Amino acid sequence: SQQGEEDPQALSIQEGENATMNCSYKTSINNLQWYRQNSGRGLVHLILIRSNEREKHSGRLRVTLDTSKKSSSLLITASRAADTASYFCATDGRETSGSRLTFGEGTQLTVNP
Amino acid sequence: EAQVTQNPRYLITVTGKKLTVTCSQNMNHEYMSWYRQDPGLGLRQIYYSMNVEVTDKGDVPEGYKVSRKEKRNFPLILESPSPNQTSLYFCASSSIYNEQFFGPGTRLTVL
Repeated sequence: SQQGEEDPQALSIQEGENATMNCSYKTSINNLQWYRQNSGRGLVHLILIRSNEREKHSGRLRVTLDTSKKSSSLLITASRAADTASYFCATDGRETSGSRLTFGEGTQLTVNP
Repeated sequence: EAQVTQNPRYLITVTGKKLTVTCSQNMNHEYMSWYRQDPGLGLRQIYYSMNVEVTDKGDVPEGYKVSRKEKRNFPLILESPSPNQTSLYFCASSSIYNEQFFGPGTRLTVL
């Protein structure tokens, strides 16, 4: 079953604007991860946030995690046309015996030049 | 260079003809996994392996087999492919509880 659900499904913004994507999940987690995928290509890991962390930064990326609401957000600041891609959240559930990611369906981000 | 490789990258086959998609990683990762990606359904896990000789079903294992005889390799076997297995397949590896590294994908078409 799909644990992570991204919102919105699609987002279109202008270059320079910020993009915010949200992810909700259902069960307890060890960590939550965000990935990026360019059309038809493999997924690339962006950032991992553990269940005891609330916020994490990496370059222009900022991820928050609220375990009480079972939700996370990914903020991309000062977006560029090259940020156009699909973004997925993935949860590593505590109920499984080890590292097993469950992906959402993704948010398609389009950054217009 | 640390990487996950998959072969073939593209494959067109016919119903019932057994095929194997290979996956290999050079990062000494314990954990390996296979996913399929379909429009509107996102990525769904087929099988995963926590270590050599340890495999387990994911969310959509029907019609697939895997093996993990060596740490670096995790082949995906379709004994009798059917058209509903037409999809984009990804192999991934990681150390436990850490980020996954994905292969470039295998686009499979079953006629």
